[in-house]
Amino acid sequence: GAGVSQSPRYKVAKRGQDVALRCDPISGHVSLFWYQQALGQGPEFLTYFQNEAQLDKSGLPSDRFFAERPEGSVSTLKIQRTQQEDSAVYLCASSPLWRTASTNEKLFFGSGTQLSVL
Amino acid sequence: TQLLEQSPQFLSIQEGENLTVYCNSSSVFSSLQWYRQEPGEGPVLLVTVVTGGEVKKLKRLTFQFGDARKDSSLHITAAQTGDTGLYLCAGLNTGGFKTIFGAGTRLFVKA
Repeated sequence: GAGVSQSPRYKVAKRGQDVALRCDPISGHVSLFWYQQALGQGPEFLTYFQNEAQLDKSGLPSDRFFAERPEGSVSTLKIQRTQQEDSAVYLCASSPLWRTASTNEKLFFGSGTQLSVL
Repeated sequence: TQLLEQSPQFLSIQEGENLTVYCNSSSVFSSLQWYRQEPGEGPVLLVTVVTGGEVKKLKRLTFQFGDARKDSSLHITAAQTGDTGLYLCAGLNTGGFKTIFGAGTRLFVKA
């Protein structure tokens, strides 16, 4: 596709439900990032994939959060037993380059999934 | 942990006015980026500054990277209503893979 696609656009979950958020990156992009953006805040890093390898998951808030990218393209962020504090916009970003310690290339963001936990 | 602090948090101005927003850190960054985010959308990259003291211009927007590479500023000349949005600065976390973001400056330009 032309850009990063995220689905669903909006998700309402009851507390305790499991949710799965999908990200379709730009075709051929090697790097994929997930961010969490609370209302009125900047994006907070969750995890990073280089192709299918999850190289950094230091930002995942708890073991209820799990991300995968099994074939190096589409990624899914799963949140188990959702809590009210999980309510936020979840952003996915991709980049055509490998992330190194010195590169800070352009990230292409999707429009996000707005998760509301009631 | 490296932090990026942005100021002001919120700015409301009239069309035609000039403004400057700031991004500061106690840490050195190899580069800093500025993104703009509109409601309901993801951030879009405006510029990357790499060299200390560097100034980049993008139409009415002027970006500067501090000499010590710890801070950056964004100056908008003759603001337009289309400039309304959340302006985020971002930097690469040292030794890691993550791009970290500031909390942003929310700009509202009134007609």
